[in-house]
Amino acid sequence: SQTIHQWPATLVQPVGSPLSLECTVEGTSNPNLYWYRQAAGRGLQLLFYSVGIGQISSEVPQNLSASRPQDRQFILSSKKLLLSDSGFYLCAWSTTRAPLHFGNGTRLTVT
Amino acid sequence: AQKITQTQPGMFVQEKEAVTLDCTYDTSDQSYGLFWYKQPSSGEMIFLIYQGSYDEQNATEGRYSLNFQKARKSANLVISASQLGDSAMYFCAMRRSGGSNYKLTFGKGTLLTVNP
Repeated sequence: SQTIHQWPATLVQPVGSPLSLECTVEGTSNPNLYWYRQAAGRGLQLLFYSVGIGQISSEVPQNLSASRPQDRQFILSSKKLLLSDSGFYLCAWSTTRAPLHFGNGTRLTVT
Repeated sequence: AQKITQTQPGMFVQEKEAVTLDCTYDTSDQSYGLFWYKQPSSGEMIFLIYQGSYDEQNATEGRYSLNFQKARKSANLVISASQLGDSAMYFCAMRRSGGSNYKLTFGKGTLLTVNP
């Protein structure tokens, strides 16, 4: 069966520090991968998606970037965090018509 | 562009009663899919139910059913016999069929509280 791992679960970082969140999927090949962000009490906003290795599409201009160095690995990064980057970050995967399957999320607080 | 509107920020229901969570959508696509997810306080997103735009029957999954009214562009979630464990945020989402990115557009959610 397929599983998705996302870490860390919580993270507190100072403004101006770098960020790296990692997501890996097991049990499937060539999945589409997604990074969503959820601000407190809000819906999910799509940040990036990838349909293959090295292929990244950005939905919203921002202080973040994403990379897909391997088929089942998706990384969200920032060189310098802003206060506005705080939120709940969710990684997800999907194939064909299947629903998106989400990881357990990372709660990021920028102080 | 696709848009999902959930007009109920919060809903309350008594245990064992049914509840309907509203969702309306806007799209120019002819073929699309509609989804409902549940998000407990732990934060995980749990897929509940799916409805295709060309599906003639309303989708059902256990206690969940989707009241799909295509002409009205609505896709309401009905939870029958509410349980305390149903207390959570509920999100309606959609995506266009076809293409290769399968990305979902989400509404802002409805917080459901089930009272004992």
